[in-house]
Amino acid sequence: AQSVTQLDSHVSVSEGTPVLLRCNYSSSYSPSLFWYVQHPNKGLQLLLKYTSAATLVKGINGFEAEFKKSETSFHLTKPSAHMSDAAEYFCVVSRVKAAGNKLTFGGGTRVLVKP
Amino acid sequence: EPEVTQTPSHQVTQMGQEVILRCVPISNHLYFYWYRQILGQKVEFLVSFYNNEISEKSEIFDDQFSVERPDGSNFTLKIRSTKLEDSAMYFCASSEALGSRGEQYFGPGTRLTVT
Repeated sequence: AQSVTQLDSHVSVSEGTPVLLRCNYSSSYSPSLFWYVQHPNKGLQLLLKYTSAATLVKGINGFEAEFKKSETSFHLTKPSAHMSDAAEYFCVVSRVKAAGNKLTFGGGTRVLVKP
Repeated sequence: EPEVTQTPSHQVTQMGQEVILRCVPISNHLYFYWYRQILGQKVEFLVSFYNNEISEKSEIFDDQFSVERPDGSNFTLKIRSTKLEDSAMYFCASSEALGSRGEQYFGPGTRLTVT
């Protein structure tokens, strides 16, 4: 079984300050982990992925995440928030089977960026 | 850049009616998925589809649901007799492969409202 817990349902930051979105996962397998972002009235866009290569993963728009197996965490960070980062972010774990990757989503973290 | 498209963007239907949600996955992708998100809840996996058959389905995906790839481009989700609790945002996704290249690309979603 696999599960994902996003520790904050809402995060508020000021423009230009760092962003930290926390995610813990549970998986019986070596997981693949993803962060997706959803802007209002838009679909889910892949930010970055971890698939057992480098533990520090860089994504689009200046985001990065670090896989820490000992802590079962995959926190998302960005050094300087931009107004356009206001969105909902989902941490996702994947289990690969023979004919499909089932994704399990966290509950989401809504990010508010203040000017 | 190729993208997954979904139609309609909004669908309102009466309880007991049949609905068909349509998706056009990215053209060279082989694996197809449906997820849903009930308002205020997590995104949930419904079904995965590969090689013209269901590869995995969740317990949500009961006999009222079916999926089909009627031609080389469309991927549909049918709900035979809708219930109030089927009201949700339905997302289609596709992936080119599994494993490290198995990231899923999502469509913008169809908001289904059952009255």
